[in-house]
Order: sequence, then structure tokens, then C-alpha cells
Amino acid sequence: GAVVSQHPSRVICKSGTSVKIECRSLDFQATTMFWYRQFPKQSLMLMATSNEGSKATYEQGVEKDKFLINHASLTLSTLTVTSAHPEDSSFYICSASPGVQETQYFGPGTRLLVL
Amino acid sequence: AQTVTQSQPEMSVQEAETVTLSCTYDTSESDYYLFWYKQPPSRQMILVIRQEAYKQQNATENRFSVNFQKAAKSFSLKISDSQLGDAAMYFCAYRGSTSGTYKYIFGTGTRLKVLA
Repeated sequence: GAVVSQHPSRVICKSGTSVKIECRSLDFQATTMFWYRQFPKQSLMLMATSNEGSKATYEQGVEKDKFLINHASLTLSTLTVTSAHPEDSSFYICSASPGVQETQYFGPGTRLLVL
Repeated sequence: AQTVTQSQPEMSVQEAETVTLSCTYDTSESDYYLFWYKQPPSRQMILVIRQEAYKQQNATENRFSVNFQKAAKSFSLKISDSQLGDAAMYFCAYRGSTSGTYKYIFGTGTRLKVLA
């Protein structure tokens, strides 16, 4: 149980384009989802917390207009990197939780490369 | 603000031996949760073990156990009978239980190498 999927696993895009990453909880309803960014050999950096049906809460320093998060259902959250630039290249990981007080279960991550 | 510190960037252990990874944290809360996650080369984060602060008994999961010292704010992970598949980055994480602190705070990680 507690499986979270992410799609795509890898994406390469041109600078200036937008990229959407999907995060799905496959066997539970996720009232809360989290989006992280991980640079090579570093820890996970929380970007935002999203609750189903409401606006995401962004961490300080994260541009909400650049990283659009939608949590329209209890099993799906999406992260859209708008007008991507090479500095947005990174590993993006989502996690899902049955409730805000519960354990987080992580997706396998998405590697984004912006050329 | 809460902080999590992993002071060992890298550790090595011989196969079948035991290794302990350290984690300390700082918080003013009395109730919280602590986790150890494993991140193998695939980069999939895998929950290893979880500890509720209100429980005095140390959590165990097969070959993995923790030494939770609440007063010292210490939460170390012991891996017994180490296997090659244990090689990974290990992250310690803290999660509070009051409103506004539900997000995880991760340590910087410890890379564990298992020597055959």
C-alpha cells in the first residue's frame, strides 16, 4: 500500500517552454501533497504544500507564478514549471499524505533538464 | 524554528556488520514525529522507520532500529547485519504535530557505503 507515482520520470525541454509533472496517489486518498526539489548530492528542499481543493502554500523564496501547483482531486496533484530556464533543471519529488498529520509517501521523482 | 542535523556525511560498514547513523534535532515542541528515509541510487525515497515522540519505546523494523533519546534530542538509526542493498543516502526527518509544523524538515543526509 501507500504507492505514489510521478509522470514523467524524465523530461527534456527547451528554454521558455512549460513542463507539467503529475503526482498520483494510487491506493489512498491524499488530502495533502508536497513538492520538493533536490539538487545533486543535497537534501530535499520543500517547495510547496498543497491541500485538495485549495491554493498551495509556497515556501519562502519559491516563485508561485513560476511553479504552478494544482491539487484538483484527492489522488492527483500537478506541478507546472512555466517558462522553464536552465537553472530550473533539477530533480523534482512529490510526496502524498492521507492527512496532514500522517506519514508522507514519496513518488519516484522527475528529472527535468532544460536546454 | 526546528532544525535537523546529520553530522556524518558518509559512513562505511562491512557487510554483515552493524552501523549507527546519527541524527540530532532541535525543537520546542513536546509532541512530534521522527523518520528515517532511505534514498538508493534510483532516488526513490523509502520510509525506513518512524518514531512518535510520545512513545518511550524505540521503534524497530526488522534489521533497523532507532535509539530515541528525547531529552538529548537524538534519534540514531542502527542497521544490523548490513547488506549490500542497504547502500544509499539516509535522511533523518522531523515533523511537528501542531498547526503549521506538519511539513518535514530533513537533515543533510548520510551516505552509507556497504563493503563486500
